[in-house]
Amino acid sequence: IVLTQSPGTLSLSPGERATLSCRASQTVSSSYLAWYQQRPGQAPSLLIYGASNRATGIPDRFSGSGSGTDFTLTIARLEPEDFAVYYCQQSGTSLVTFGQGTKLEIK
Amino acid sequence: EVQLVESGGGLAMPGGSLRLSCAASGFTLSRAWMSWVRQAPGKAPEWVSQLKSKAGGGTTNYAAPVKGRFTILRDDSKNTLYLQMNSLKTEDTAVYYCVADLPGDTDAFDIWGQGTVVTVSS
Repeated sequence: IVLTQSPGTLSLSPGERATLSCRASQTVSSSYLAWYQQRPGQAPSLLIYGASNRATGIPDRFSGSGSGTDFTLTIARLEPEDFAVYYCQQSGTSLVTFGQGTKLEIK
Repeated sequence: EVQLVESGGGLAMPGGSLRLSCAASGFTLSRAWMSWVRQAPGKAPEWVSQLKSKAGGGTTNYAAPVKGRFTILRDDSKNTLYLQMNSLKTEDTAVYYCVADLPGDTDAFDIWGQGTVVTVSS
């Protein structure tokens, strides 16, 4: 399953709302769609699992939605620490795949 | 504290071998679905291999680029995961992360190690 993320780069200011898209080449069970955040020099970390569930310790400004082939990560009000790269991932098949990422940068 | 610590990365010649280790603490490795994920500089993460929990059958899966060359295995007595990498190619150069899908309901990569760098070059 190929995951295509858009946009490649998103330029926004702190306090704005960010909407990131992840489109799958075939249907993905929502149970197996996750989002990760990666800051420079760090490993990715789990943000959202099951398409819409926040991982432990993730603030409620992060939300996930979607089903089938279209999924969205929304960050309601950007904080300075949110500027990073975001990846979607599916694990519904025996071959796990990641999207190519969306870089969220400060405008 | 739940933690994964990788080691064993370094420089290898094309055609050579390396063995990565991942020591787990704070949980029992055999109860988790474990994977190796790699990330080449400036690229997205790429899943490499998976070892299911004992309860899940302990079966393995591999990404096409590494199938037949890499082997994922676990030493329960040491609570340690390994990735045996043979017939290395230059395109295997990346940071290799050990990741855990802990028992529970996330079905996602809950815990990531800090990564170990593998460079394949002559």
